[in-house]
Amino acid sequence: DTGVSQNPRHKITKRGQNVTFRCDPISEHNRLYWYRQTLGQGPEFLTYFQNEAQLEKSRLLSDRFSAERPKGSFSTLEIQRTEQGDSAMYLCASSSAGREKLFFGSGTQLSVL
Amino acid sequence: AQKITQTQPGMFVQEKEAVTLDCTYDTSDQSYGLFWYKQPSSGEMIFLIYQGSYDEQNATEGRYSLNFQKARKSANLVISASQLGDSAMYFCAMRPTGTASKLTFGTGTRLQVTL
Repeated sequence: DTGVSQNPRHKITKRGQNVTFRCDPISEHNRLYWYRQTLGQGPEFLTYFQNEAQLEKSRLLSDRFSAERPKGSFSTLEIQRTEQGDSAMYLCASSSAGREKLFFGSGTQLSVL
Repeated sequence: AQKITQTQPGMFVQEKEAVTLDCTYDTSDQSYGLFWYKQPSSGEMIFLIYQGSYDEQNATEGRYSLNFQKARKSANLVISASQLGDSAMYFCAMRPTGTASKLTFGTGTRLQVTL
């Protein structure tokens, strides 16, 4: 059990550029979540996968955001045409079906200049 | 809809003392789970303790205990014998039981442990 891994840890980009983050969940965890956390706030839910199916999306997830989980393993979160308001920590979490506890990664800190 | 309220933006506690971090919640779900997570400066959210709404006893995990008062809709975290390494942000969260629904988090409490 190596924990939830997120890459990169930090990303600095210019407004208007596209960025992609990767999350590797704990092996055999079939549920994967993406959260966004801004300074001074708790994490806010973005989207959730069960295996490869994206089952729930927050209204926070605008058309510029897309997430995938091919083959039900790792997941990617892409932000197109980044805006300064996208600057935040993006957290990934995974869990097993029937288990309540979510395991979080260390997050990707995005700064949009 | 679910809502978590953490009214203490920051708390100080002396090393080896106990501290209580407050959490109140609101939900229309009959069955739900309450969680506490710790977030050190490294950013990772570390699971501390879980309480199910139908659990008869308050949850305990080592130095962490959850003071669950269902009628008052509160789920306070008690940390006993504080250590310097306990300095971090602490988040209370909840979600309906037995579903894959999202966790709803509060705004957090920053705990500082002093010598």
